[in-house]
Amino acid sequence: AQKITQTQPGMFVQEKEAVTLDCTYDTSDQSYGLFWYKQPSSGEMIFLIYQGSYDEQNATEGRYSLNFQKARKSANLVISASQLGDSAMYFCAMPRPILTGGGNKLTFGTGTQLKVEL
Amino acid sequence: DAMVIQNPRYQVTQFGKPVTLSCSQTLNHNVMYWYQQKSSQAPKLLFHYYDKDFNNEADTPDNFQSRRPNTSFCFLDIRSPGLGDTAMYLCATSRDLWTLGYGYTFGSGTRLTVV
Repeated sequence: AQKITQTQPGMFVQEKEAVTLDCTYDTSDQSYGLFWYKQPSSGEMIFLIYQGSYDEQNATEGRYSLNFQKARKSANLVISASQLGDSAMYFCAMPRPILTGGGNKLTFGTGTQLKVEL
Repeated sequence: DAMVIQNPRYQVTQFGKPVTLSCSQTLNHNVMYWYQQKSSQAPKLLFHYYDKDFNNEADTPDNFQSRRPNTSFCFLDIRSPGLGDTAMYLCATSRDLWTLGYGYTFGSGTRLTVV
């Protein structure tokens, strides 16, 4: 069965420092994708970054980058130059494998609560 | 801006009183999803519509139903809410079920409290 694992329930980082949020996954698909979402306390799910399994370059979007290591089945999110507004819950997610229904139906990890401190 | 809009933002309903949550989209996406997210948990898919085709997750309670009268709107109906249905309900859309990563968009959510 597909599994997304986020082993860090909570993380602290100082403002302006970089932080890495871990995500490992397991899937039976050869072609797959990984999302990272940010969820502030207000509740909306904000898309940050996406990596396809056949993308040769690691994805980057502004201060967000993905450290994608396919052999290790990990897709860690790196946030550079942390800001106070980055304090939120962060979820790693991936679409369900084709064999179990496929499509864009997302399975989420348990999330990491990030707190940025002065 | 094209977007996914959920109404209301907050909803309080009484135990057993039917409630309807609304989602609309201006993206013209074919697929609309409903996720339930209980406090301190990850979102969990309840069901989705691909165009007019409804697909229920196996473990979604019968108490939860959905309607999609047209491309733009999708509703989540809870026939007899229980205290355990208190959660954030997130609507999402995607262009289709196969183009991974493209245009997957969430609404701002409806925070439902059952009292």
